[in-house]
This record gives sequence, structure tokens and C-alpha cells, in this order.
Amino acid sequence: EAGVTQFPSHSVIEKGQTVTLRCDPISGHDNLYWYRRVMGKEIKFLLHFVKESKQDESGMPNNRFLAERTGGTYSTLKVQPAELEDSGVYFCASSGKMARNEQFFGPGTRLTVL
Amino acid sequence: SQKIEQNSEALNIQEGKTATLTCNYTNYSPAYLQWYRQDPGRGPVFLLLIRENEKEKRKERLKVTFDTTLKQSLFHITASQPADSATYLCALLVYGNKLVFGAGTILRVKS
Repeated sequence: EAGVTQFPSHSVIEKGQTVTLRCDPISGHDNLYWYRRVMGKEIKFLLHFVKESKQDESGMPNNRFLAERTGGTYSTLKVQPAELEDSGVYFCASSGKMARNEQFFGPGTRLTVL
Repeated sequence: SQKIEQNSEALNIQEGKTATLTCNYTNYSPAYLQWYRQDPGRGPVFLLLIRENEKEKRKERLKVTFDTTLKQSLFHITASQPADSATYLCALLVYGNKLVFGAGTILRVKS
């Protein structure tokens, strides 16, 4: 069974540009989460989808971040316009119907904003 | 304020010894506590989950304890091996089913 995949693995962009990160969860997983780790800090929650609905987006830093999960399959996280402080590693995770079960993480996308 | 604290210093131990990692939290009432392992350049990998009404959980060489009175979890790796070297993350599952992570403890097992 394929794990959680994320694309791209690395992205380097200029301040003010737009970047879109993609996450493909494990097939059949209803729950999809986005987290990020900025330099020197702990991994922090961004938002949680149940199927195509946003269950909790309390961790989204501001309105420059837009997450979607069309059709309840893959998800995208768009940052527009990107700022220097958005640099970090963005992780996606998914879990099965029981949201309190273990979360399976992808390898992350390393975003560098110059 | 809400905090999760793990051993701030890296833990260096000799192969074959037991590694003990600490996770303390304040102002949370988690129903679940999870431990993850993270290797450089990779995402966290789930190891163990313990519920608030469980005192101890074991899986092969791993053991986790959870004391909701002390607000502390201990994570033990017995008969440690160099392959156990990694960063270990404590995470609380809180309202909304989101994980709140500690900063992690780096474990180095020397042969």
C-alpha cells in the first residue's frame, strides 16, 4: 500500500510569488491534515479535512494560505503571496475513519522563500 | 499557557542500554498521547499511542507510561541499538483531533 505522498519535495521561490503544495493521502483515508515546521520550532497543526470538508482550520496563519480538498481525495495548500516567514517544512498526514488513530505522515515539502 | 516539554538536550547512550525520554505537558487534558520517530529528511512515523485511562503500553522493545496526575509520559527503548538513533516526538491528541507536538528529543545510540 502506498503511503502519503507530497509534491514537490523542495520548492524555492521569491517573496511575493505563489506556491502550491500537493498531498495525496493513503487511499480510503477520510482524514487529512496539514502541519508545518518552521526553523527551530516544533511541528504545528495547520488544518484538518474530513473528506472534502474543513473540520478545523484554526492553525492556518493568515489568509495568504488556502487549502482545498476537492472530491475528498488529494489536497492542495496554496501560499499567495509567499513571505519570508513561510519558509519551513510542510507535512501532510492522513488517518482512517477513526480520527483518533495514528496519523501517517508524508515526507514533507521543504519550502524556502527568498 | 499550554506547553509540551521534552528533554531539551540530546540523549547519548551506549548500545544495549535503556533509553528513557520524558514528555511533560501543562494546561492540556489530552485523551490520547502518541510517540513518533522522525529521521532526517523524513516525516514523523507513528510508534505508540496510549490513552488517558492506560498507565502503560508496550510494543516489542518500546514502553510508554502515561501519568495524567503528573502530566507526564515516559518513553523507554530497551536494549537500544544504533538504528534507534533518531528524533523522538511526543504528541498530544487534543480537541478537534489535531496533534500538538513537543520539540522532540534527539537520541544517539553509540556502538
